[in-house]
Amino acid sequence: KQEVTQIPAALSVPEGENLVLNCSFTDSAIYNLQWFRQDPGKGLTSLLLIQSSQREQTSGRLNASLDKSSGRSTLYIAASQPGDSATYLCAVRKGTALIFGKGTTLSVSS
Amino acid sequence: SAVISQKPSRDICQRGTSLTIQCQVDSQVTMMFWYRQQPGQSLTLIATANQGSEATYESGFVIDKFPISRPNLTFSTLTVSNMSPEDSSIYLCSAGTGGAGSYNEQFFGPGTRLTVL
Repeated sequence: KQEVTQIPAALSVPEGENLVLNCSFTDSAIYNLQWFRQDPGKGLTSLLLIQSSQREQTSGRLNASLDKSSGRSTLYIAASQPGDSATYLCAVRKGTALIFGKGTTLSVSS
Repeated sequence: SAVISQKPSRDICQRGTSLTIQCQVDSQVTMMFWYRQQPGQSLTLIATANQGSEATYESGFVIDKFPISRPNLTFSTLTVSNMSPEDSSIYLCSAGTGGAGSYNEQFFGPGTRLTVL
């Protein structure tokens, strides 16, 4: 059974710091991995999608990497801003379903 | 990308009643899904909504409790039946393009926050 773990569960940083969020999964036979952002009381916003054949994807200040063989992905956020404060969710696809981790709640102080 | 809207955005319901949640996508999509997010937990897939046929339910979810309709490629409903306080959750609609063998980006609606008293 695929399990997705995200570390840390919560993170507080001052504005301007570069930071890394971690995601690990137990079954490396995935089709893709997707990072989402969830603001309090809101739905999910897709940030980055990495197909199983890819090693990384970049969008603006965000960079996500995927090491399928070791079952790991990282989301790198450069020059963090207070507006980055949210919960970040990692999800892997095996078959039809996306299987989610519990998320990392990020707080960026000004 | 697909823009997904849900109605209602939130509701407070009495035990034993039912609530139907509507999901509208702004473009035709192949795949539509319903997820549940219980308080403090991550998202769990309830079912895949299949256009023109019965939904495909995940283990632990049954049609009698969560009937789903999908009459066309842009619209789906989820009903939470005979509600109990344990059904208090956020219910999210999701959609993706491509077929079951095509693993494209998946998008989510804003969610429906349900509280059952």
